Amino acid sequence: DGGITQSPKYLFRKEGQNVTLSCEQNLNHDAMYWYRQDPGQGLRLIYYSQIVNDFQKGDIAEGYSVSREKKESFPLTVTSAQKNPTAFYLCASSPSGMNTEAFFGQGTRLTVV
Amino acid sequence: AQSVSQHNHHVILSEAASLELGCNYSYGGTVNLFWYVQYPGQHLQLLLKYFSGDPLVKGIKGFEAEFIKSKFSFNLRKPSVQWSDTAEYFCAVTSGGSYIPTFGRGTSLIVHP
Repeated sequence: DGGITQSPKYLFRKEGQNVTLSCEQNLNHDAMYWYRQDPGQGLRLIYYSQIVNDFQKGDIAEGYSVSREKKESFPLTVTSAQKNPTAFYLCASSPSGMNTEAFFGQGTRLTVV
Repeated sequence: AQSVSQHNHHVILSEAASLELGCNYSYGGTVNLFWYVQYPGQHLQLLLKYFSGDPLVKGIKGFEAEFIKSKFSFNLRKPSVQWSDTAEYFCAVTSGGSYIPTFGRGTSLIVHP
């Protein structure tokens, strides 16, 4: 079954610790994205990658880092520099080019205590 | 930069009522428009999309949306809602040669049986 897999579904971390969220896709999509979803704020773009070994900052990249070593994988690290990391994180992918749609994973809910 | 406005943040309806959710975008050039839905506990999924052609677009589960270029709008409609339509609805836009979606803040819809 083709799709996007995010793991884990729920994640708890202590303040000051870095944490990495996994995102894997088997749709053969070139582009991958990370969004953060907070109540009443919609989805805000953290980072995106249009091709392997290349990625760009989105609107709220501070305190986050990513890598894109493989086409299928786009992990997101939430660092201790992120001031308000507790949120719902969504990974998405799409074919590159116009007239395409994004497909989403189930999300990871991160709680920092 | 592109921005997307969803005017209704919370909507409460009774079953069989008609639904219209507003969505306006800021970019004046060529756009692709989307409505996504997030049912409780589920991943974000595409309801419908507009790339070109007939401005009245029909999607899944009886939803439709109308692209009105002069008003920069892409409102979502359904003539008769059901309890199972309870969900969060997001409008999204890609534009200006970028295929990275920009999302609105979302509308939470609750349908009472």
